[in-house]
Amino acid sequence: GQQLNQSPQSMFIQEGEDVSMNCTSSSIFNTWLWYKQDPGEGPVLLIALYKAGELTSNGRLTAQFGITRKDSFLNISASIPSDVGIYFCAGHSPGNQFYFGTGTSLTVIP
Amino acid sequence: NAGVTQTPKFQVLKTGQSMTLQCAQDMNHNSMYWYRQDPGMGLRLIYYSASEGTTDKGEVPNGYNVSRLNKREFSLRLESAAPSQTSVYFCASRDRQGSNQPQHFGDGTRLSIL
Repeated sequence: GQQLNQSPQSMFIQEGEDVSMNCTSSSIFNTWLWYKQDPGEGPVLLIALYKAGELTSNGRLTAQFGITRKDSFLNISASIPSDVGIYFCAGHSPGNQFYFGTGTSLTVIP
Repeated sequence: NAGVTQTPKFQVLKTGQSMTLQCAQDMNHNSMYWYRQDPGMGLRLIYYSASEGTTDKGEVPNGYNVSRLNKREFSLRLESAAPSQTSVYFCASRDRQGSNQPQHFGDGTRLSIL
């Protein structure tokens, strides 16, 4: 099965800093999703992207669907302690399953 | 606003024991999924049900069976648990297989096999 390459694997940042993470694939996708998973809970959808080049925001979060359709990026501005968690990307092409990245673990130091 | 509900939340089994993990969704979704999550591996698809009455293997189906009991419920069974099946199991659902609409996840079942 296909696994998406997600980087970095982990990040330790100071509260107030901006965060960037990305996800790459060897395959083209028509949909990119970003999820956040808090400890002991399931992944929760943050942002969905449906068109190459699309830039979508959800509060302090901004995600982009790469032009090549093989990558996506997530940025978090002015991080706060509740941003702590694991962030997953997922890619989808028509008729197929979603494929998930291995996750980026974010720690925010107050 | 229950969404996807999984039971139990935690379970410890001995090698060779059997167990069924339960999942129910209240969003009238057609498709349901079972994943396992292991450190550094992301989410891997075990089985899915595109619609009521159908089930298909995913990436890692060995050692598992599933039942789509009705549109709401999709269960995962371990017939003879092995230590390699120690993992966190997530159930998910979405409107229909093949669409690009996101999956919605339950809170997981944390399973340890001794």
